[in-house]
Amino acid sequence: QLQLQESGPRLVKPSETLSLTCTVSGGSISSSSFYWGWIRQPPGKALEWIGSAYYSGSTYYNPSLKSRVTISIDTSKSQFSLKLSSVTAADTAIYYCARLNGPYYYGAYWGQGSLVTVSS
Amino acid sequence: DIVMTQSPDSLAVSLGERATINCKSSQSILYSSNNKNYLAWYQQKPGQPPKLLFSWASTRESGVPDRFSGSGSGTDFTLTISSLQAEDVAVYYCHQYYSTPPAFGQGTKVEIK
Repeated sequence: QLQLQESGPRLVKPSETLSLTCTVSGGSISSSSFYWGWIRQPPGKALEWIGSAYYSGSTYYNPSLKSRVTISIDTSKSQFSLKLSSVTAADTAIYYCARLNGPYYYGAYWGQGSLVTVSS
Repeated sequence: DIVMTQSPDSLAVSLGERATINCKSSQSILYSSNNKNYLAWYQQKPGQPPKLLFSWASTRESGVPDRFSGSGSGTDFTLTISSLQAEDVAVYYCHQYYSTPPAFGQGTKVEIK
């Protein structure tokens, strides 16, 4: 059974960089059939697609966040990562990693989510 | 960008009764070359990640009870729970993946009356 697990600091100071890693187990991150994405959800609010990566290293970003986002993938470690720079309180959210059926398609497998708070 | 609007924002339904959630896209998400609607539905319970219910507007995910159904085409879509059960209490989201950036609806909260 495929599993995804987010890890990283839960508290980030304003203007700093948020960094999260998603570890994939029970399946291959190098599959040519899937993409690996990040989606976030501010407390009590709707979902927002941040971006995704393919095993080859190709990346796709939400234009609204593109200037601040970097997603990378390390197939040797079965991990993919998210970096979001210059964070503000508006970036406080639950961050989910997921396996997607296309660069911005639906996903049947999600991590449990990691609540990241931006505060000094 | 395509905007997804769900209605209602919340609804309370008696156990065993029908619940209907609507989702409208600001432009068609039907791709004419393959006649597929690029729409997914998710269920999210408190403290849990979203669970995929339907892709392609009406393709039920394995394990999803058949009391759930997805329908619609073009710009108007519906998620129906034919006989509401206690375990269906959740927030439901639609999601268009026709074009980037993908967009989710604001969510519809389903409760027991």
